[in-house]
Amino acid sequence: DAKTTQPNSMESNEEEPVHLPCNHSTISGTDYIHWYRQLPSQGPEYVIHGLTSNVNNRMASLAIAEDRKSSTLILHRATLRDAAVYYCILRDEGNTPLVFGKGTRLSVIA
Amino acid sequence: DAEITQSPRHKITETGRQVTLACHQTWNHNNMFWYRQDLGHGLRLIHYSYGVQDTNKGEVSDGYSVSRSNTEDLPLTLESAASSQTSVYFCASRRDYLSEAFFGQGTRLTVV
Repeated sequence: DAKTTQPNSMESNEEEPVHLPCNHSTISGTDYIHWYRQLPSQGPEYVIHGLTSNVNNRMASLAIAEDRKSSTLILHRATLRDAAVYYCILRDEGNTPLVFGKGTRLSVIA
Repeated sequence: DAEITQSPRHKITETGRQVTLACHQTWNHNNMFWYRQDLGHGLRLIHYSYGVQDTNKGEVSDGYSVSRSNTEDLPLTLESAASSQTSVYFCASRRDYLSEAFFGQGTRLTVV
């Protein structure tokens, strides 16, 4: 899987939007961008994924740059429950396992 | 509801003993994975399987083995437990390479 770069940590106030960036300058044309998060003492959980167009679901939105070299996971109103490590992962067309980097640790302040 | 379960949730074992961690999923997924996570580190892949009788090594497979005799289960065996294998172990499954992966709640293993 191509490499991604994320900030080590970010902080947000409760009920404010959060923009979590991910750089993937070596992304190939067929790589999908996946986001997972890991809440404290739990296994990772899927958040969202996309290829070229922006995507929305009940948990978050994914904004993908036009050149696809970066993307941003948007949590529209952060809650205390959103405090977690967020992982940005590129997935190619091959049936290969997920490879996790260090992710971004998001802290939410009440 | 379909789910993925790991057992036991916590285990303490002695150095040199053989230990097996269970992973069971009810989605009928072909793809199953084992990861370990050490304090302050990300998840590292141990072994994975794409179907019955198929097993593959991940980046940290030394000292571990898996077997896939049916679709639902992928047990992870530590042949001779070492203190360096103290960790939290996560099992995961997914339908295919683009679908979301579902993770178990983890097994905290301590080797003393």
